[in-house]
Amino acid sequence: QSVLTQPPSVSGAPGQRVTISCTGSSSNIGAGYDVHWYQQLPGTAPKLLIYSSTNRPSGVPDRFSGSKSGTSASLVITGLQAEDEADYYCQSYDSSHWVFGGGTKLTVL
Amino acid sequence: QVQLQESGPGLVKPSETLSLSCTVSGGSVRSGGYYWSWIRQPPGKGLEWIGYFHYSGSTNYNPSLKSRVTISVDTSERQFSVTLSSVSAADTAVYYCARGLGPTTPLPGYWGQGTLVTVSS
Repeated sequence: QSVLTQPPSVSGAPGQRVTISCTGSSSNIGAGYDVHWYQQLPGTAPKLLIYSSTNRPSGVPDRFSGSKSGTSASLVITGLQAEDEADYYCQSYDSSHWVFGGGTKLTVL
Repeated sequence: QVQLQESGPGLVKPSETLSLSCTVSGGSVRSGGYYWSWIRQPPGKGLEWIGYFHYSGSTNYNPSLKSRVTISVDTSERQFSVTLSSVSAADTAVYYCARGLGPTTPLPGYWGQGTLVTVSS
C-alpha cells in the first residue's frame, strides 16, 4: 500500500489529453511538500519528468505539465503520442522521507 | 554530463548482505555538493526509496530499511555504495543509483540503468 495513491492505469488515443492523479494526505502533499513525477519507459530507468510540482527539466516537452492543490497533484499530458506509453510515478515527502506513488500505466490506444 | 553505472552480485543468498557499487563518470562523489541516492524496484512493482547521502556525510534512509542499510562513498571517490544486511526474497529488485538534479536537492535527476539482484538460495 503506497503512501501516495495513483490510478493503476489510464489510456487515451493519440492527440488526446490525459490526466494522472496522485492523492496524498496532510502529512505529505497537504503539508506543502513538492510533488515530482517520473516517466519509466518499458525496460528502462525512470526519468525525472516534472519537479517541484510544475517545473520541467531541460529536454522535457511542454506537452507534460504538473499541478498541485491541497492533498493532491496531477500530471497532464496533452497531444498524446505513442512514445508516451510508459509507467508514471509521483513522489513527495512524508516526515522528511521520500515516498512514491504506486505508479500508473499509460496506454496509448 | 554525469553518468552512473551500478555493479555487484546478481545473486545473493537469504540472510546474507547485499553490496552494490555505483560508478560515477563525469564527476566525483565528493565534488559539487550533490546528493547521491539508491532506489529499488521489485520485479513488476513500483519504486521504493532506499536512501541518500550528501558529500558532507549526512544521510537519510527509508525508515523501513534503516536498521539494515548503509550508503557510503568509496575511497576512490568515484564510487558510492549501498549495503543491505539480512536480505530475504522481498529484497529481490532492480537497484538504481542516482545523483541529485542540482547541488541543493536530493531529487534524483540522473539515474543509472539499474542492476537486478535476486535473493535466493
